[in-house]
Amino acid sequence: DTAVSQTPKYLVTQMGNDKSIKCEQNLGHDTMYWYKQDSKKFLKIMFSYNNKELIINETVPNRFSPKSPDKAHLNLHINSLELGDSAVYFCASSQRRGLAGLSYEQYFGPGTRLTVT
Amino acid sequence: QKEVEQNSGPLSVPEGAIASLNCTYSDRGSQSFFWYRQYSGKSPELIMFIYSNGDKEDGRFTAQLNKASQYVSLLIRDSQPSDSATYLCAGPDTGGFKTIFGAGTRLFVKA
Repeated sequence: DTAVSQTPKYLVTQMGNDKSIKCEQNLGHDTMYWYKQDSKKFLKIMFSYNNKELIINETVPNRFSPKSPDKAHLNLHINSLELGDSAVYFCASSQRRGLAGLSYEQYFGPGTRLTVT
Repeated sequence: QKEVEQNSGPLSVPEGAIASLNCTYSDRGSQSFFWYRQYSGKSPELIMFIYSNGDKEDGRFTAQLNKASQYVSLLIRDSQPSDSATYLCAGPDTGGFKTIFGAGTRLFVKA
């Protein structure tokens, strides 16, 4: 009955490799997000999709490419991994996209701890 | 740059006391605010949301919103050791449809 699930939970890889993280939600939500939480625990938005449309694309390196095959799935592919990419990546979903000045409660997946060596 | 600011703490309270967590925000146009709890090694979990000025109570938790002063607070009554966690305040970005998270306040409840 997991609401938002992510795979894998842990990912250890070497610099220069390419890796993907997958996310699925069964809440019927139409908006999904990728967040990065660094070692200082600061949670920062990376991308958001609403009904498969990219609506938020923060200033992240082009090596990061999200893809949403349908509104229940959001994947994150990372090319040429670097040491600084080490962090916990959270997927989240909300019932609908936010409006100006108004956002909606989000439900987070368990996170993927990425370690780049 | 829109901001949501919190005192990173740690905040330490004895068991049974009231824990008061505060958050200020810079954008007057923000209308909705959220409190998430994050245990170490776990994901953020929504515990309260508030849209209107005033207080909103849910069990031992009370969220308070003061739009004139641009602050949001979370009160935890009868604090328990299981409440020990990092509490994240979050609010919307007025123009960008994003949710902005504060840096979080670490709470320790001592038995």
